[in-house]
Amino acid sequence: SQQGEEDPQALSIQEGENATMNCSYKTSINNLQWYRQNSGRGLVHLILIRSNEREKHSGRLRVTLDTSKKSSSLLITASRAADTASYFCATDASDNAGNMLTFGGGTRLMVKP
Amino acid sequence: EAQVTQNPRYLITVTGKKLTVTCSQNMNHEYMSWYRQDPGLGLRQIYYSMNVEVTDKGDVPEGYKVSRKEKRNFPLILESPSPNQTSLYFCASSLWGSGEGYTFGSGTRLTVV
Repeated sequence: SQQGEEDPQALSIQEGENATMNCSYKTSINNLQWYRQNSGRGLVHLILIRSNEREKHSGRLRVTLDTSKKSSSLLITASRAADTASYFCATDASDNAGNMLTFGGGTRLMVKP
Repeated sequence: EAQVTQNPRYLITVTGKKLTVTCSQNMNHEYMSWYRQDPGLGLRQIYYSMNVEVTDKGDVPEGYKVSRKEKRNFPLILESPSPNQTSLYFCASSLWGSGEGYTFGSGTRLTVV
């Protein structure tokens, strides 16, 4: 079952612009993670934000978390063509005994040079 | 280099012919997991393991088996593959309970004809 839902499903921007992707989820969580996937390749962990954190930065990435709205956003600033990929949010839910991540359907980002 | 290694990368097989997809990690992670990725359905967990000899079902375990005899290895076994198991498979590992991100393998693209 999908816990997270990303929005939009697809996003096309010009190089240099910012890209914002949103994720909504349904149950309480321990943390929320963002992953990147280049076409047909393995997922790469980008950033993790814990339930008691509201904002986190890593390089050109900024993640926010609003637990009252059960939502998160990933902002990529000054995008580059190499940022073209699919981006997934994944939730680590509080009632999980098995450290199970549940993934959303992803946002396909295309950055045009 | 810290990594999760899956083999094979590509596999075409016939219905009913038993196959094993291997997964190995060199990070001494307790937790390992298998996911399948299908268009429109996102990533769904098949099985996971919290440590040696401890395995449990994920969301879509039917038709699959796993074993965890050693900490580093977590093979996925399809005893009698069927065409609906045609998919892209990923193995992942993490430090259990750490809240850190998962490390994913590069994926195995399986086609069952």
